[in-house]
Amino acid sequence: NAGVTQTPKFRILKIGQSMTLQCTQDMNHNYMYWYRQDPGMGLKLIYYSVGAGITDKGEVPNGYNVSRSTTEDFPLRLELAAPSQTSVYFCASSYGREETQYFGPGTRLLVL
Amino acid sequence: DQQVKQNSPSLSVQEGRISILNCDYTNSMFDYFLWYKKYPAEGPTFLISISSIKDKNEDGRFTVFLNKSAKHLSLHIVPSQPGDSAVYFCAARPPGNEKLTFGTGTRLTIIP
Repeated sequence: NAGVTQTPKFRILKIGQSMTLQCTQDMNHNYMYWYRQDPGMGLKLIYYSVGAGITDKGEVPNGYNVSRSTTEDFPLRLELAAPSQTSVYFCASSYGREETQYFGPGTRLLVL
Repeated sequence: DQQVKQNSPSLSVQEGRISILNCDYTNSMFDYFLWYKKYPAEGPTFLISISSIKDKNEDGRFTVFLNKSAKHLSLHIVPSQPGDSAVYFCAARPPGNEKLTFGTGTRLTIIP
């Protein structure tokens, strides 16, 4: 039981490039989330999903897209990378709406 | 608008003594509060939570206190151990809502 896994661990992007951050959970959780954490700040919700085929915006969705075609996977897409997207990205999952959220180890992204 | 505030960015405590981490919130709709612990290069892990119908919740060395009138909660760790050195995030959510609002974190250092 691996929990929540994220790939890659670290990535450097040039401005304007695109990439997909991968997130997979093997706990059969319905809810999945993407957060970003900037230095000295708390985690801010980017997008979340309450089940396969359903996604919704969080607090800071601009510049990102998500999809949820399966229960296990919740990829986060950056289409045109900008320096403001330099951050650490965490994926999380929970069984239900008010259940504990379990986090992945994070992806550190640097946009230059 | 920071709805969950952790005003102490860092705290150092002698091993064996009590560590007290504080958190304030402004949104009176919040009714469930959580503490997460985060080690470097890892994702946050759930530590302890409290519902607004309680004013105290204990789990081993960890106790969370909630003062609803003051919109304040605190995490007590007794006795503090070197493995407790980490960043602690306070988080909150309104009823029936999956979205967590995080504070900016407090870095706790336990001095051997």
